Amino acid sequence: DVKVTQSSRYLVKRTGEKVFLECVQDMDHENMFWYRQDPGLGLRLIYFSYDVKMKEKGDIPEGYSVSREKKERFSLILESASTNQTSMYLCASSFRQAVNTIYFGEGSWLTVV
Amino acid sequence: AQTVTQSQPEMSVQEAETVTLSCTYDTSESDYYLFWYKQPPSRQMILVIRQEAYKQQNATENRFSVNFQKAAKSFSLKISDSQLGDAAMYFCAYRSENQGGKLIFGQGTELSVKP
Repeated sequence: DVKVTQSSRYLVKRTGEKVFLECVQDMDHENMFWYRQDPGLGLRLIYFSYDVKMKEKGDIPEGYSVSREKKERFSLILESASTNQTSMYLCASSFRQAVNTIYFGEGSWLTVV
Repeated sequence: AQTVTQSQPEMSVQEAETVTLSCTYDTSESDYYLFWYKQPPSRQMILVIRQEAYKQQNATENRFSVNFQKAAKSFSLKISDSQLGDAAMYFCAYRSENQGGKLIFGQGTELSVKP
């Protein structure tokens, strides 16, 4: 079975803190994604990566950065957390071609106080 | 830009009955893929069904089937013989090679199943 693992299910951070959300996949997928999920808005893409050290901005990249130093790991970084970044964050991965299934992690609930 | 719209924030169905969830999308591309994902309270996203745009035949997976109308850009999900375990948030999603392989999601439809 494909496994996409997000390191933290629940986090509480203070405003201004630097936050790291880690995601690891075990299927040698080229593509990895970070989405944010908010009620009524569905899932919105923050950043994605199609190879090591490669990244592309999604629809809502402001306030976020990413790192992909190894193929299996894709990190989402909140440089200075703000309360409007309180949300559920979902990591996903897939092989490159669009025909392939995208697999999701279980999500990370982040609360910024 | 491609967009996906789910106009039903909530739907309800009686156990054993049939329910249809609506989805429309906007694109100028001819080759793409459409998906329905289920998200139960555990928040794990589960692929329900996939449709390739070049296929005229509607996809079916057991009790789940789609009505794919390419010209109308419509992609609805029909759940037959609804079960309590079908209660979840359902997301419609679009994917194409030209978009870097990313999934574009609709807003979601919360489905409740009444016993």
